[in-house]
Amino acid sequence: SQQGEEDPQALSIQEGENATMNCSYKTSINNLQWYRQNSGRGLVHLILIRSNEREKHSGRLRVTLDTSKKSSSLLITASRAADTASYFCATDRLTGGGNKLTFGTGTQLKVEL
Amino acid sequence: EPEVTQTPSHQVTQMGQEVILRCVPISNHLYFYWYRQILGQKVEFLVSFYNNEISEKSEIFDDQFSVERPDGSNFTLKIRSTKLEDSAMYFCASLRDITYEQYFGPGTRLTVT
Repeated sequence: SQQGEEDPQALSIQEGENATMNCSYKTSINNLQWYRQNSGRGLVHLILIRSNEREKHSGRLRVTLDTSKKSSSLLITASRAADTASYFCATDRLTGGGNKLTFGTGTQLKVEL
Repeated sequence: EPEVTQTPSHQVTQMGQEVILRCVPISNHLYFYWYRQILGQKVEFLVSFYNNEISEKSEIFDDQFSVERPDGSNFTLKIRSTKLEDSAMYFCASLRDITYEQYFGPGTRLTVT
């Protein structure tokens, strides 16, 4: 598997339900970030979790990070139709000139009314 | 809230032509990036730029590609002789500090015919 793989690849839920997406990576990281992308549009930053953090909350978002398992999860609570989008995790490593992001393959979330 | 801007939003060009994609990063940011996303695929790193020079580049970023920060505000990506496989969405991103998140522009959709 490649650095940054999300599962499931696609997820369909009803409005009001919770959505959980997982991300696995292979190398050591500095930060892990989650981005949202609406179809054909730009990347919107959701949340960043540092390698020394285990959990972080932002509104309806909850992110966990397990560096021993090299995995992260994104939980969206009380989902809305507007949450329909693709969700990507992206990792970065400390490098000399600024940290490139390595993106996962993404989870396509569909929230139905 | 400050944002990264990109122009044009959509560029159509013929194979073999040169294109320049433009980005205006957030003003107090120090690190600049280009990524691309071929339709239906994940976002891939192209190049990072710091202190007026390339700090890292991917295998994709060959001699046909170049970047420039000509005037302290713009950040450009030039493709000298476009190929069909260069068709993709190109994202610019900027970063203030390696402890923070990268901010992405809305992207330029490049179509090579």
